[in-house]
Amino acid sequence: DSGVTQTPKHLITATGQRVTLRCSPRSGDLSVYWYQQSLDQGLQFLIQYYNGEERAKGNILERFSAQQFPDLHSELNLSSLELGDSALYFCASSVAGGPYEQYFGPGTRLTVT
Amino acid sequence: GNSVTQMEGPVTLSEEAFLTINCTYTATGYPSLFWYVQYPGEGLQLLLKATKADDKGSNKGFEATYRKETTSFHLEKGSVQVSDSAVYFCALSDLAGSSNTGKLIFGQGTTLQVKP
Repeated sequence: DSGVTQTPKHLITATGQRVTLRCSPRSGDLSVYWYQQSLDQGLQFLIQYYNGEERAKGNILERFSAQQFPDLHSELNLSSLELGDSALYFCASSVAGGPYEQYFGPGTRLTVT
Repeated sequence: GNSVTQMEGPVTLSEEAFLTINCTYTATGYPSLFWYVQYPGEGLQLLLKATKADDKGSNKGFEATYRKETTSFHLEKGSVQVSDSAVYFCALSDLAGSSNTGKLIFGQGTTLQVKP
């Protein structure tokens, strides 16, 4: 158990809908990262928050957004969903930004039908 | 940009065989390097890490050495077990830009199957 929790574990929704994925980092970790894992793209970095502020952006679509709250949990919002958004979404946390090890949650499997 | 390349899989070995999974990287600066393992239906678990040249990371019988001259971080284990069957990811921390990032760039993953 990494100490990072993600909910829900599975999510099935229709095209055009909006969903919210939730992540709670390990106790004491200030930085939260979101990654997408798909068969064709592999593991791709989406976005990072550090102590409530956006720190880095990767290959994140404009339809996707995220935030980190004062209690350090984070939410990833995916809207106008398309079939191609079906993937595993992982949250990871680390003690700070920088070259520190990241601890991953169990992931949320999103299926868009 | 920074990138990681891993050997293609799947790698199929018999129990107690020697394992090598090759990983090479391209990066500016001196990133930290990591190996993660993903068991079926689970998230990624940190296996080992190295933060500077010539560092050797080790855990659970697995080892990898940060080789700056060959830009490599190959994963090795002397004697694999059936329970080692999983997908292994090599990754580097991308420090480009802000000093407080550290996003990981992953290789494509290598599937290891160990047969009894």
